[in-house]
Amino acid sequence: AQSVTQLDSQVPVFEEAPVELRCNYSSSVSVYLFWYVQYPNQGLQLLLKYLSGSTLVKGINGFEAEFNKSQTSFHLRKPSVHISDTAEYFCAVSDFNQAGTALIFGKGTTLSVSS
Amino acid sequence: NAGVTQTPKFRVLKTGQSMTLLCAQDMNHEYMYWYRQDPGMGLRLIHYSVGEGTTAKGEVPDGYNVSRLKKQNFLLGLESAAPSQTSVYFCASRRTGLAGGELFFGEGSRLTVL
Repeated sequence: AQSVTQLDSQVPVFEEAPVELRCNYSSSVSVYLFWYVQYPNQGLQLLLKYLSGSTLVKGINGFEAEFNKSQTSFHLRKPSVHISDTAEYFCAVSDFNQAGTALIFGKGTTLSVSS
Repeated sequence: NAGVTQTPKFRVLKTGQSMTLLCAQDMNHEYMYWYRQDPGMGLRLIHYSVGEGTTAKGEVPDGYNVSRLKKQNFLLGLESAAPSQTSVYFCASRRTGLAGGELFFGEGSRLTVL
């Protein structure tokens, strides 16, 4: 079965600093990767996804992620964060073998941006 | 456009009581999911449905039942609530079963079992 590991449970950064949130997944022949963001007391919304093609994926709010098949990673990056980026971020994976093609989520990374 | 709507948003139960969470989506999506979110655990799949009249178990189905009598609604039931079911519950839907499709989430239902 697929699994996702988010390597950092909490990432504190200062405003305007760059940030990287790390995600590794278990290997599979066909895998699709997602990053979701959850703002306080809200549901999850899609930041970006990788299906195929270019390994650098751009998402909303200036975020991007790079798919690295050899390292089975899908790290999320932003060159300059804002206070409003404070949220919990979830990496998720899906493949054709997953029952109901449900997303399997990592445990989340809390990004805290301070001034 | 409402998207995915969950009711109620908050509920407090006593151990042994029953309740039903309702998820409604207005996007004509085929697939629907119930997840629970616990601190440090991420989201774990409880049950899912691949179409009207179908349901299946996910990773953590024990203590829950579901029904999908209408395409737009997916109900999650707790027959006899336990403190271990204190959690935030999220419903999600997806247009088709394509593995690359986006899941759309509701805003969550926070359940406390005393």
